[in-house]
Amino acid sequence: QSVLIQPPSASGTPGQRVTISCSGSTSNIGGNIVNWYQQFPGMAPKLLIFSNHQRPSGVPDRFSGSKSGTSASLAISGLQSDDESVYFCSTWDDNLHGLVFGGGTKVTVL
Amino acid sequence: EVQLVESGGGLVQPGRSLRVSCAASGFTFGDYAMHWVRQTPGKGLEWVSGISWKSDNIVYADSVKGRFTMSRDNARRSLYLEMTNLGPDDTAFYFCVKDTGQQLTNYLDSWGQGTLVTVSP
Repeated sequence: QSVLIQPPSASGTPGQRVTISCSGSTSNIGGNIVNWYQQFPGMAPKLLIFSNHQRPSGVPDRFSGSKSGTSASLAISGLQSDDESVYFCSTWDDNLHGLVFGGGTKVTVL
Repeated sequence: EVQLVESGGGLVQPGRSLRVSCAASGFTFGDYAMHWVRQTPGKGLEWVSGISWKSDNIVYADSVKGRFTMSRDNARRSLYLEMTNLGPDDTAFYFCVKDTGQQLTNYLDSWGQGTLVTVSP
C-alpha cells in the first residue's frame, strides 16, 4: 500500500481533459512540494512536474499540476495518444524521513 | 547529457548479498545528491536510499535500514548500493537517480534505466 493514494486508472478521448489525484497527509503533501513523474512501459520515469506546478523544459503546457492542503492533482488537457503512460506523484515524508510515491495512475486514451 | 548507467544486478539466493553500481556522466557528479529507487516489475516505485553530495547525510527507507548501505565515490563518479540479507521482497529494478540539489531534496530530475535484482532460490 503506497503512502500517497492515486486512482489506478484514468481515461479519456483525444482532446479531453483528464485529472489525476494524489492524496496524502500533513506529514507529506501537507508540508512539502509535490512532483509528478511519467513512465512509459520499459522506460525509466521522467520528471514531468516539479514544485507542485512547475514544468521542466520540454514538457508541454498541456500538463499542469496543483496542490491544496494534503492533496495534489495532475491535469492533462488536450489529451493525445502519446500521453498513454503511467503517472506517479511523489513528495517527502517528514515522519518517514524519506521520499514517498503514489501507486501510479495508468492513463488510457480511448 | 546526463547519463546514469546501473550495473551489478542479477539472480541471487535469499539471504545472500549483492552490490549494484551506477556510473554517472554528463554532469558534475560530486555536486549533487543521489538516490536509489526501486520498482517491482509491473508495480509502483519505492524510494530506497539517498546520499548527499559529500556523503554526510545518508538516509534509508525503513524496509532496507540495517541491510542496505549506500555510498558514493565522487572521484570515480560512481554510486553504490550494497545489499545484504536479501529477501524475495527485494526483487525489483533498481534505478540510480540524480537529485537537483547538494542535499537531499524532493526533485529527482534524471533516472538511469535500472538494473534488475531477482532474489530467488
